[in-house]
Amino acid sequence: NAGVTQTPKFRVLKTGQSMTLLCAQDMNHEYMYWYRQDPGMGLRLIHYSVGEGTTAKGEVPDGYNVSRLKKQNFLLGLESAAPSQTSVYFCASSYQGSGEQYFGPGTRLTVT
Amino acid sequence: GEDVEQSLFLSVREGDSSVINCTYTDSSSTYLYWYKQEPGAGLQLLTYIFSNMDMKQDQRLTVLLNKKDKHLSLRIADTQTGDSAIYFCAETHTDKLIFGTGTRLQVFP
Repeated sequence: NAGVTQTPKFRVLKTGQSMTLLCAQDMNHEYMYWYRQDPGMGLRLIHYSVGEGTTAKGEVPDGYNVSRLKKQNFLLGLESAAPSQTSVYFCASSYQGSGEQYFGPGTRLTVT
Repeated sequence: GEDVEQSLFLSVREGDSSVINCTYTDSSSTYLYWYKQEPGAGLQLLTYIFSNMDMKQDQRLTVLLNKKDKHLSLRIADTQTGDSAIYFCAETHTDKLIFGTGTRLQVFP
């Protein structure tokens, strides 16, 4: 089992460019999450999904969109990147909403 | 609203015990979790405690839960340099976890 994988590992964008981060899990988990991690602010939830075809907003959803067309994949999109979106992005999945979350290795994004 | 608080830094000598503290807000949390993040990596579950327990011990780790004060602590006995990492506590809230800001543990010889 690969667990949770994220693509790409690193990316540098110019302000206004768009990109999609891909998260994949092979554990047949229903729940998937996107977080951003910034120094001194811990993990903040961007969007999450409780099952295929569903999405919901988290704590900091502005400037991001998500899609969950397949159960195993959860995509995070930035339509027009801003320097404030420079961060490390983590994807996670879980079997239950209140259960243990399994994390991917992260994507380091820099927006100049 | 939900807010999980932790101190940002802790520095201990190798071989001493470390105690990392956390306060949470959701009294209906089913589980409370401790995650560990090593440099350049994602978070990994370290341990958890069910909300109806007061204490859980797992080898060098001891978790204490005070539900009245909504206080959670993680004690690491005989702290080693390999324990240097960021430690996050998390509470459950409907379909998600709410994470604290993380405590960076530095272990010096």
